[in-house]
Amino acid sequence: GAVVSQHPSRVICKSGTSVKIECRSLDFQATTMFWYRQFPKQSLMLMATSNEGSKATYEQGVEKDKFLINHASLTLSTLTVTSAHPEDSSFYICSASDGGGGQYFGPGTRLTVT
Amino acid sequence: RKEVEQDPGPFNVPEGATVAFNCTYSNSASQSFFWYRQDCRKEPKLLMSVYSSGNEDGRFTAQLNRASQYISLLIRDSKLSDSATYLCVVNRDGGYNKLIFGAGTRLAVHP
Repeated sequence: GAVVSQHPSRVICKSGTSVKIECRSLDFQATTMFWYRQFPKQSLMLMATSNEGSKATYEQGVEKDKFLINHASLTLSTLTVTSAHPEDSSFYICSASDGGGGQYFGPGTRLTVT
Repeated sequence: RKEVEQDPGPFNVPEGATVAFNCTYSNSASQSFFWYRQDCRKEPKLLMSVYSSGNEDGRFTAQLNRASQYISLLIRDSKLSDSATYLCVVNRDGGYNKLIFGAGTRLAVHP
């Protein structure tokens, strides 16, 4: 149980375009979902926390207008990287919490912006 | 100062060795502590939670010292399959179970 999927697993896009990443909890309802970013040889950095039906809470230094998060249901959250630039190339990982203390990670999405 | 700091690594050890990783955290309000394992280009996976009294899971032993804000992980009888990056993780006070990750310590176990 407690499986989280992400789609796509990897994406290459051109600078200036937008990319949407989906995060789904497959066998439980996720009251809260988290989005992380990891640059090579660095730690996972929490970008934002989203709760179903409400606005996401962004960490300091993360541009909310650039990284749009929508948590429309208890099983789906999306992250849209708008007007992507090469410096946005990174490994984006979501996690989902069932409210009971467990936090389950998706397999990640590798974004490359050319 | 980073919220969670770890040994820089990498640690290169032979099979069968015992290796210890250390971690310190800066937020005294942190409530929960974990060690995660991350393989190259994969998502992190929970290795074990860390409890105040210390806890053991097979070859892995975790210790927590709240007064010193220090966490450790000991791996005994290292296996080749233990090669990975070990992430020290603490939650941030706030009620939403926000996890703050250390930069990780890379372990390479060789034959």
